[in-house]
Amino acid sequence: EAAVTQSPRNKVAVTGGKVTLSCNQTNNHNNMYWYRQDTGHGLRLIHYSYGAGSTEKGDIPDGYKASRPSQENFSLILELATPSQTSVYFCASGEGGREQYFGPGTRLTVL
Amino acid sequence: QQQVRQSSQSLTVWEGETAILNCSYENSAFDYFPWYQQFPGEGPALLIAIRSVSDKKEDGRFTIFFNKREKNLSLHIKDSQPGDSATYFCAASEGTNAYKVIFGKGTHLHVLP
Repeated sequence: EAAVTQSPRNKVAVTGGKVTLSCNQTNNHNNMYWYRQDTGHGLRLIHYSYGAGSTEKGDIPDGYKASRPSQENFSLILELATPSQTSVYFCASGEGGREQYFGPGTRLTVL
Repeated sequence: QQQVRQSSQSLTVWEGETAILNCSYENSAFDYFPWYQQFPGEGPALLIAIRSVSDKKEDGRFTIFFNKREKNLSLHIKDSQPGDSATYFCAASEGTNAYKVIFGKGTHLHVLP
């Protein structure tokens, strides 16, 4: 049974549109993360959260917002999507910063 | 500036050989080094990890060799199998900022039958 799930798995959006990527975890972990993965760049941290109600900026937060309404849910929001945000997005959960458990990813294409 | 560097983007070995994936880092405060394995279409998953107090960690066919003085480490995959073909990420974190893991760019391993 998958402990970190993401929706949608694939998304096509138009430039300037709003996109919300959702993540749910059943690990009961305090920490949750959003990464994007691009060829040649590996995994880059966008936002993270220590718990419900908290969000922190990662290494590449520009153009993204995050929301953590509960222990289980962490969303990534693109208010005005741009083609440069075309990527594969991964959500992860973890405790104590050691092992992180990743979801299956969301492939986002912004046209 | 890359804090965690993987020396090869791609590595090809024959089935049965030992694959060696190299990684180096810059921050001497890093004290935990996980390796993640990622198959196409999936998220990364923890494969094996080592703490800086150790110089070797073994788990089945997978071994990490760690050199604190040189600030580098390597993942050895013994008796490589085609099913080991995947992307491998070296990563690092430090105790005071343990929530934040720094990933390398990954090495894509091809194991030929």
